[in-house]
Amino acid sequence: AQSVSQHNHHVILSEAASLELGCNYSYGGTVNLFWYVQYPGQHLQLLLKYFSGDPLVKGIKGFEAEFIKSKFSFNLRKPSVQWSDTAEYFCAVRVAGNMLTFGGGTRLMVKP
Amino acid sequence: DVKVTQSSRYLVKRTGEKVFLECVQDMDHENMFWYRQDPGLGLRLIYFSYDVKMKEKGDIPEGYSVSREKKERFSLILESASTNQTSMYLCASSFFGLRGNEQFFGPGTRLTVL
Repeated sequence: AQSVSQHNHHVILSEAASLELGCNYSYGGTVNLFWYVQYPGQHLQLLLKYFSGDPLVKGIKGFEAEFIKSKFSFNLRKPSVQWSDTAEYFCAVRVAGNMLTFGGGTRLMVKP
Repeated sequence: DVKVTQSSRYLVKRTGEKVFLECVQDMDHENMFWYRQDPGLGLRLIYFSYDVKMKEKGDIPEGYSVSREKKERFSLILESASTNQTSMYLCASSFFGLRGNEQFFGPGTRLTVL
């Protein structure tokens, strides 16, 4: 069965710092990849997704992610974080059908 | 806007009680999902349904059952609640097949079993 690893469980940054959150998956075939975000007290919402084509995917709120097939990775990046980016971030992979497998999540705190 | 609603935001139950968590979506989605969210473990799939009266086990179905009598409604049932079922429960829905690129989530129900 496929699995998703998010190595950073907690990340603390100051405003304007650059962000990179790691995501690795274990599956050798075709995958679809997602990043979801959960702001405090809110429901999960989609940040961005990769299906095919350009491996650099741009999402909402200035986030982007790069799919590197050889490394089985889909890291999330943002050049300059804001206090409002404080949230929990989840990477997810879809192998077949419509089921997603999620990583354990990364809690990001941005200090003003 | 897609709307997925869950019957309660917070619920407190006692060990051994039967618990019903309700989820309703208004986008005519074929697929509906129940997850539990625990710190450090992310979201784990309990059950999903791709059509009325159809259900499939997810990764952690033990101690849970589901019911889907209408397309828009998906219920999660804890037959006899136990303290290790204290968790945040999330419902999600999506279209079936290639249209099901994105799952839409409800606000969650935080269940405490005493």
